[in-house]
Amino acid sequence: DTGVSQNPRHKITKRGQNVTFRCDPISEHNRLYWYRQTLGQGPEFLTYFQNEAQLEKSRLLSDRFSAERPKGSFSTLEIQRTEQGDSAMYLCASSLEGGNNEKLFFGSGTQLSVL
Amino acid sequence: DAKTTQPNSMESNEEEPVHLPCNHSTISGTDYIHWYRQLPSQGPEYVIHGLTSNVNNRMASLAIAEDRKSSTLILHRATLRDAAVYYCILSYGGATNKLIFGTGTLLAVQP
Repeated sequence: DTGVSQNPRHKITKRGQNVTFRCDPISEHNRLYWYRQTLGQGPEFLTYFQNEAQLEKSRLLSDRFSAERPKGSFSTLEIQRTEQGDSAMYLCASSLEGGNNEKLFFGSGTQLSVL
Repeated sequence: DAKTTQPNSMESNEEEPVHLPCNHSTISGTDYIHWYRQLPSQGPEYVIHGLTSNVNNRMASLAIAEDRKSSTLILHRATLRDAAVYYCILSYGGATNKLIFGTGTLLAVQP
């Protein structure tokens, strides 16, 4: 068990640029979640995959955000035309489906700074 | 959505027990109570969860009130490494285990 891996750890970009983050979940986990966290707040749910299917998206996920999980393995989160308000920590979590006993395992996140 | 209420911050001394309270007066009968913690510069990590009975694991204990409207996370001997934000979360239920985080309790541990 190598844990959930997120890359890059830090990303600095200029307003208007596109950015892409990658998440590698724990290998046998079929569920994958993306969260966003700003300073002083708890993580906010963005979207959720079961295998390769994106089953839920938060209203927080504007049209500029897109997430994929091809083949039900790693996932990418792309933000197009970044805005300063997109600056945040983007967290990925994975889990093995198990009802209310399910535990989420989080990565260390990607810190995005939009200048 | 069932919500939880936690104090913004608490302080403890090293090697003393810590009791972190959580109120969840609108909990439904099938909601589990989960606790996660987040150390500085890291993602949240699972601590413990329970439904009705008190639960113990190597990290902590969870005491659940008989009416389930409140719970307490107990760290038996706080260490400096326990300084973190602790989140009390009710499981969302349904087809996913989407967790809705609040702002949590920031625990400071003094040497």
